[in-house]
Amino acid sequence: DGGITQSPKYLFRKEGQNVTLSCEQNLNHDAMYWYRQDPGQGLRLIYYSQIVNDFQKGDIAEGYSVSREKKESFPLTVTSAQKNPTAFYLCASTPIATAYGYTFGSGTRLTVV
Amino acid sequence: AQSVTQLDSHVSVSEGTPVLLRCNYSSSYSPSLFWYVQHPNKGLQLLLKYTSAATLVKGINGFEAEFKKSETSFHLTKPSAHMSDAAEYFCVVRNTGFQKLVFGTGTRLLVSP
Repeated sequence: DGGITQSPKYLFRKEGQNVTLSCEQNLNHDAMYWYRQDPGQGLRLIYYSQIVNDFQKGDIAEGYSVSREKKESFPLTVTSAQKNPTAFYLCASTPIATAYGYTFGSGTRLTVV
Repeated sequence: AQSVTQLDSHVSVSEGTPVLLRCNYSSSYSPSLFWYVQHPNKGLQLLLKYTSAATLVKGINGFEAEFKKSETSFHLTKPSAHMSDAAEYFCVVRNTGFQKLVFGTGTRLLVSP
């Protein structure tokens, strides 16, 4: 079945560490997105990519980095520069130039220990 | 810039009674609007979408929403709540031309027996 796979489901990070969250899709979607979710704040856009080898900053990109070397994959690295990384992270994808909604992964919960 | 405002952070209903989740939007263009549902620690699932066709949109699980341009509203309704409807609901507008979704802050629906 087509869909988006995020891994791991739970991730723990020590202070000063970089961690990478995986997002893979087999939907042949062009665009992929990373959102951060905090209680009572809805979802905020971190980075997005509409084509391989190209990506754009979203509203809260500081302390995060991404790559898009393959159409199917859009990993997110949470760097030590992100001072408050504890949150629920959601990856999404969509075909370009349609009015359809996005398909979301099941999320990764990151906790700083 | 496009935005959405969800007017209630929490809504409580009894099983079998109607559900109303309110959303107002702000957009310079004819918007694409969506409702998503999120169960605890899960990704988001698309309930329904409005894309300038019929103003009354039917979605999954008995939900529907009506686009009212004169009131800039897109409220979500269901005639009879079920316990499984307890979740968080997000009203979302698509940022035309930038392929980005803008999320409301969410409404938590509580359903009591």
